[in-house]
Amino acid sequence: GENVEQHPSTLSVQEGDSAVIKCTYSDSASNYFPWYKQELGKRPQLIIDIRSNVGEKKDQRIAVTLNKTAKHFSLHITETQPEDSAVYFCAAQWKNYGGSQGNLIFGKGTKLSVKP
Amino acid sequence: EPEVTQTPSHQVTQMGQEVILRCVPISNHLYFYWYRQILGQKVEFLVSFYNNEISEKSEIFDDQFSVERPDGSNFTLKIRSTKLEDSAMYFCASSESFRGTGQNSNPEAFFGQGTRLTVV
Repeated sequence: GENVEQHPSTLSVQEGDSAVIKCTYSDSASNYFPWYKQELGKRPQLIIDIRSNVGEKKDQRIAVTLNKTAKHFSLHITETQPEDSAVYFCAAQWKNYGGSQGNLIFGKGTKLSVKP
Repeated sequence: EPEVTQTPSHQVTQMGQEVILRCVPISNHLYFYWYRQILGQKVEFLVSFYNNEISEKSEIFDDQFSVERPDGSNFTLKIRSTKLEDSAMYFCASSESFRGTGQNSNPEAFFGQGTRLTVV
């Protein structure tokens, strides 16, 4: 089955700096890669996702890159703010057009701390 | 905005007792999931459910666990004979399936707010 590795487990940055979190996956059939942000005691919430037919996607201060050959994908947060502090999880899933899909498998999470 | 709802938000149970965790997925979603998150750890897949049957389950999802969609709206997780190590946050999630070329499909999995299960 799919295995997702995520690094680093903790990341501390100064406000305004960039943060990068990296994930690798094992199943080459995976074609959908979401990133979730989880604040303490709350549910995971999708912040950005990327499908395997694109290499990069950006949404304001957040971007995700995907290297299918190397089977890794990364989350980039620029101009970090204290409210970006949370645990970030990457995930991988395979989905077929027509309705079937595999399970969303999560990395172990990265605790991001943004210091003012 | 539609959301996945879970009840109860917190459940305390004696070891050996049975618990049922309830979820109401988003109404037009076809895939339903249960995930578990032990405090401070990653979100772990338990089971997925599609077309009124289990489509996949993890090693964690042994005979102690079962899922059911008793009616058109609810999706339940039953844990029989609870153990101390079952203490965790349990999240329900739902998603649409991909349709057609995928241009108009939404692959996002929406999570409920979770049920914190404490086994004492």
